[in-house]
Amino acid sequence: NAGVMQNPRHLVRRRGQEARLRCSPMKGHSHVYWYRQLPEEGLKFMVYLQKENIIDESGMPKERFSAEFPKEGPSILRIQQVVRGDSAAYFCASSPPHLSGGTQPQHFGDGTRLSIL
Amino acid sequence: DQQVKQNSPSLSVQEGRISILNCDYTNSMFDYFLWYKKYPAEGPTFLISISSIKDKNEDGRFTVFLNKSAKHLSLHIVPSQPGDSAVYFCAASGSSNTGKLIFGQGTTLQVKP
Repeated sequence: NAGVMQNPRHLVRRRGQEARLRCSPMKGHSHVYWYRQLPEEGLKFMVYLQKENIIDESGMPKERFSAEFPKEGPSILRIQQVVRGDSAAYFCASSPPHLSGGTQPQHFGDGTRLSIL
Repeated sequence: DQQVKQNSPSLSVQEGRISILNCDYTNSMFDYFLWYKKYPAEGPTFLISISSIKDKNEDGRFTVFLNKSAKHLSLHIVPSQPGDSAVYFCAASGSSNTGKLIFGQGTTLQVKP
């Protein structure tokens, strides 16, 4: 499967626990984006990463949320001390390097559904 | 502040007819627009895009129209098929946006056989 891979597909955590969501981009894609979708809403941008660099984290909550995209391995979205309001679908997208003067469409994984008990 | 708006939460169309989904935006710095289709429990699937230097882009049954002066874009699907039933999201980005996408709220399309 050459698509964007996210795991786990479903994650259940109790309030106060940590949640780790993983994303492996499509082959050849070096740009990773994380989005969150609350029920009955559109997707909201969270963070944009390239290998070992956070490019834009303007959509990330100031506390408890962090993201990384290491040189080796998948991108990780980490949520510490989860609360009920963190329950949502978290989607990862990837794209190839942006060409000068152009833009590449982002391709999405199937998401991780996070439920907080 | 909702920079990308899809004002119709739902649309119902008969199979074989045209489906027209609409999207409005407020940020004049947006220069790239995309449409995604989403089925339940799956991620959005890229359908078609358009750059602000064009006013129309066509791919098979899908055509996207861009009216920059009105800050409006639309997706036409013709002929509509039952398999097109899904939630459709429009999204926008700008060269100053680091490539991040700003999504509308989505429109649920139902194509009746």
